[in-house]
Amino acid sequence: DADVTQTPRNRITKTGKRIMLECSQTKGHDRMYWYRQDPGLGLRLIYYSFDVKDINKGEISDGYSVSRQAQAKFSLSLESAIPNQTALYFCATLNHPGQGTKNIQYFGAGTRLSVL
Amino acid sequence: RKEVEQDPGPFNVPEGATVAFNCTYSNSASQSFFWYRQDCRKEPKLLMSVYSSGNEDGRFTAQLNRASQYISLLIRDSKLSDSATYLCAVSLLGGYQKVTFGTGTKLQVIP
Repeated sequence: DADVTQTPRNRITKTGKRIMLECSQTKGHDRMYWYRQDPGLGLRLIYYSFDVKDINKGEISDGYSVSRQAQAKFSLSLESAIPNQTALYFCATLNHPGQGTKNIQYFGAGTRLSVL
Repeated sequence: RKEVEQDPGPFNVPEGATVAFNCTYSNSASQSFFWYRQDCRKEPKLLMSVYSSGNEDGRFTAQLNRASQYISLLIRDSKLSDSATYLCAVSLLGGYQKVTFGTGTKLQVIP
């Protein structure tokens, strides 16, 4: 089983719809992240969370919201989807300094979202 | 100026060739540096961290030049399986905060 699991893997939706992308992890990491990836623009940070009660905006948070329901779960919502939110979305985790010496980000397999 | 910049490529090289990529970063306070590999339509995976003294892992060598604010990745004896996009990543404060990624350099190894 994957350490970082994203659901759904693919989603097609219509403009104006509300959708939620979910992420769960079994690595026990405190830090979780949501990125989107677009051709030519690379990975851009949407939101990140260092703890259940800690939520931080990334560089492109407009139009998105997140919820950290538990240490292992971090969901991303598009309240009213628009076509320029069509992208590949990745969830990632990162270990806390006390959880090991390697500060590696582990990514989920991605969610391919198309907004028509 | 972007925080992290890479040449998007593609770099088309024959099998067995040596190829090098550079990545520049703008924040001189950056402390942690990484190279990730991303296969088409897959998630990025850590290839190697980059240490101040440089480090090597098999055919891969990573270097850090703090004075000029860039990191490099050298791949020797390229294999077809090395074909992928290579992302550099930079973070502040020892890497336990947010990580900023470059847009990636695409490598195509040709038979």
